[in-house]
Amino acid sequence: EIVMTQSPATLSVSPGEGATLSCRASQSVSRDLAWYQQKPGQAPRLLIYGSSTRATGVPARFSGSGSGTEFTLTISSLQSEDFAVYYCQQHNAWPLTFGGGTDVEIK
Amino acid sequence: QVQLVESGGGVVQPGRSLRLSCAASGFTFSSYGIHWVRQAPGKGLEWVAFTWSDESNKFYADSVKGRFTISRDNSKNTLYLQMNSLRGEDTAIYYCARRGDSSSWLDYWGQGTLVTVSS
Repeated sequence: EIVMTQSPATLSVSPGEGATLSCRASQSVSRDLAWYQQKPGQAPRLLIYGSSTRATGVPARFSGSGSGTEFTLTISSLQSEDFAVYYCQQHNAWPLTFGGGTDVEIK
Repeated sequence: QVQLVESGGGVVQPGRSLRLSCAASGFTFSSYGIHWVRQAPGKGLEWVAFTWSDESNKFYADSVKGRFTISRDNSKNTLYLQMNSLRGEDTAIYYCARRGDSSSWLDYWGQGTLVTVSS
């Protein structure tokens, strides 16, 4: 099983600042990496797939990069609606696996 | 618009069974693979099971293999998860989610249904 590790667990950011979230895979997943956003009481929402492709309707301030075992989600200029938990997920091999999440909180 | 609506959750005793449903609308259900993903209270996401559009192949997490069965009825646009021999650690919100066009990212999710396993 491919283990996905996200860091940091919690990220405190002021509105308007940028944020960089990391995700590491225990073995190469090529570019088969997705990012999701989850707000309290809501289902996850797909943000990025294939490492860097934004899903429909996702603002351009969200960008993804990386390949192999190291991936990054960058949020430029955080808006109030961006404070949430973010998960990475590899879609390269079964079983699908998620990272433990990064909680982006208001500083 | 794409909609996935789960139902069937509730409180069940350990060792008993429960069947979840996921009703789909707004897309051609019979053309898409569908996943089940769960989230224990206050915890992260755990992938549970997947079926291809024609049920030609199915995949399960080790934690549920042999106890859970994923199935679908394309004539009813509905996905199912039969859960047997339930344990306390199966307590979670269960989401169904559609597979992406060309790989297993999850592009649309339902709102989830809560399963509580407790005596």
